[in-house]
Amino acid sequence: EPEVTQTPSHQVTQMGQEVILRCVPISNHLYFYWYRQILGQKVEFLVSFYNNEISEKSEIFDDQFSVERPDGSNFTLKIRSTKLEDSAMYFCASSAQGFSTDTQYFGPGTRLTVL
Amino acid sequence: DAKTTQPNSMESNEEEPVHLPCNHSTISGTDYIHWYRQLPSQGPEYVIHGLTSNVNNRMASLAIAEDRKSSTLILHRATLRDAAVYYCILRARFGNEKLTFGTGTRLTIIP
Repeated sequence: EPEVTQTPSHQVTQMGQEVILRCVPISNHLYFYWYRQILGQKVEFLVSFYNNEISEKSEIFDDQFSVERPDGSNFTLKIRSTKLEDSAMYFCASSAQGFSTDTQYFGPGTRLTVL
Repeated sequence: DAKTTQPNSMESNEEEPVHLPCNHSTISGTDYIHWYRQLPSQGPEYVIHGLTSNVNNRMASLAIAEDRKSSTLILHRATLRDAAVYYCILRARFGNEKLTFGTGTRLTIIP
């Protein structure tokens, strides 16, 4: 069964450094998402991406964050200057369409630790 | 987005049915009811969704109240693998791509 993959599984970085989290969505999907989950807290929406553009973003997704689909398969989340509070699990998801009936398929997540 | 209310936690014995409730009294007529779950140390996973009628799939059943102000996710025969946090999420029919997660119900399965 097709699945969303994410790399790395765990990323440790120093505060102020840039990180890039990578995701390979399911191949025929058109909508892509990033969510994050701080330890012990809710899963929070960050951004959705369609047709090479951001279609929606949350208040969390400020100028320090960016997303890109550099080729036909990868979808990346970049954090330019990491803060301690960026430490969280980051989940990538994809869906075939953006309809409210569409299933979003989540990857296993990248654990980001900012020291 | 309309709000959902779920119990923080529930326990069930292995191989018995589990009924996970969700209240959504402010649901609009075009909101779909979705259930996702998150197994330990994994990403969320789709379980089932419905609009008005009860729904069944290989994982679970979804029973929707006639007034749609509440719904119940039914796991017919819980296994240890069903131990997870279960999220009831409303999604507007138009123009709402994102999932808005609440705190969900943490289901513990007792062997």
